[in-house]
Amino acid sequence: QSVLTQPPSASGTPGQRVAISCSGSSSNIEINRVNWYHQLPGTAPKLLIYDNHQRPSGVPDRFSGSKSGTSASLAISGLQSEDEADYYCSTWDDSLHGVIFGGGTKLTVL
Amino acid sequence: QVQLQQSGPGLVKPSQTLSLTCAISGDTVSNISATWNWIRQSPSRGLEWLGRTYYRSKWYNDYGVSVKSRITINPDTSKNQFSLQVNSVTPEDTAVYYCARSEGLVNGPFEYWGQGTLVTVSS
Repeated sequence: QSVLTQPPSASGTPGQRVAISCSGSSSNIEINRVNWYHQLPGTAPKLLIYDNHQRPSGVPDRFSGSKSGTSASLAISGLQSEDEADYYCSTWDDSLHGVIFGGGTKLTVL
Repeated sequence: QVQLQQSGPGLVKPSQTLSLTCAISGDTVSNISATWNWIRQSPSRGLEWLGRTYYRSKWYNDYGVSVKSRITINPDTSKNQFSLQVNSVTPEDTAVYYCARSEGLVNGPFEYWGQGTLVTVSS
């Protein structure tokens, strides 16, 4: 069981907006930055959002991140079929003194 | 552009030692801004950070709590690479193992990843 809690699945139709939540605690999300990754089958995870809301070069502005208290959220607007992937949140946990990941959310584009 | 190339066996017998290497190009393992990490992924455990090595005037290691007693991560400056060893493996250690680079000490994002190595623990 992951320290960070994500819904196992999410879905939407093309063009819709979808949000994926990531719930943590006072020892991790509340006091540290959150990063988001997406992963296609058979490939390594790829950085999508860092420092809560920053996008690496090349990531479309359809992807946005936010954080409030002990939770973070990834939003995808203008959903496209190519967005179908697994999404993971990650942060540092001060109590565990290490990096932690959410259990992942499988996004399906209907 | 940083590239990470993993190597090592894909099959390890129970109770033996799992050993993987991550060769770095486009950066150096002794870069004082970077940390060099190992992460694994399995259906039962999801993504699991195993630990890291980094240089800040001297070498440091941090290890994840789940494997702390069985794991060693070492830098090799002569070959510009770093390695992972997991001792006394069981079938529960079967996973895809990734090396990854981050910046900063407190959850700098993993911007660069190796290609992944599926390691199966089986007799």
